[in-house]
Amino acid sequence: DIQMTQSPSSLSASVGDRVTLSCRASQGIFNYLAWFQQKPGKAPKSLIFAASSLRSGVPSKFSGSGSGTDFTLTISSLQPEDFATYYCLQYNTYPPTFGGGTKVEI
Amino acid sequence: EVQLVESGGGLVQPGGSLTLSCAASGFTFTSYWMSWVRQAPGKGLEWVANIKQDESEKFYADSVKGRFTISRDNTKNSLYLQMNSLRAGDTAVYYCARNGAFDYWGQGTLVTVSS
Repeated sequence: DIQMTQSPSSLSASVGDRVTLSCRASQGIFNYLAWFQQKPGKAPKSLIFAASSLRSGVPSKFSGSGSGTDFTLTISSLQPEDFATYYCLQYNTYPPTFGGGTKVEI
Repeated sequence: EVQLVESGGGLVQPGGSLTLSCAASGFTFTSYWMSWVRQAPGKGLEWVANIKQDESEKFYADSVKGRFTISRDNTKNSLYLQMNSLRAGDTAVYYCARNGAFDYWGQGTLVTVSS
């Protein structure tokens, strides 16, 4: 199975900060990488697919980049509603596998 | 508006069975692969199984292979997960999700396996 490693596992940030989350695949996955945001007690919400394509309705402050094995999710100006846990997912190879998550805290 | 609504969760004893359902609306159900994803309490996300539009292909995580069965009824726009031989480690919120990149998720249904 492809292992997805997210770093850091948690980070503290302030409103207005620019934050960058990392996701590394144990082998190349082209651009078959998605990012999700999850708030406590809620279902995950899709933010980005194909490494850099923003889902309809997702604010442009979210951006994704990377291909192969290294990927990043950037939030350009953190707002209170962005404090959550973020997961990456590779869907290039079965089984689809998620990273362990990055918790963004105040 | 795309909606996925899971049901069927609950408390079950180890070794027991449960069937989850997911009612889909707001999109052409027959055009999409569908998946089940689970999340143990306080843990990360784990893909469980998925199924092709016409049920001709089904895939399972090793952790559930031989115990869980995914199915769908395209006449009812519904997805199912039959879970047998349940273990404590299967305790989780179970989500249904649309297609291979999980673009839409339901709200989840909690399955608790405990005596």
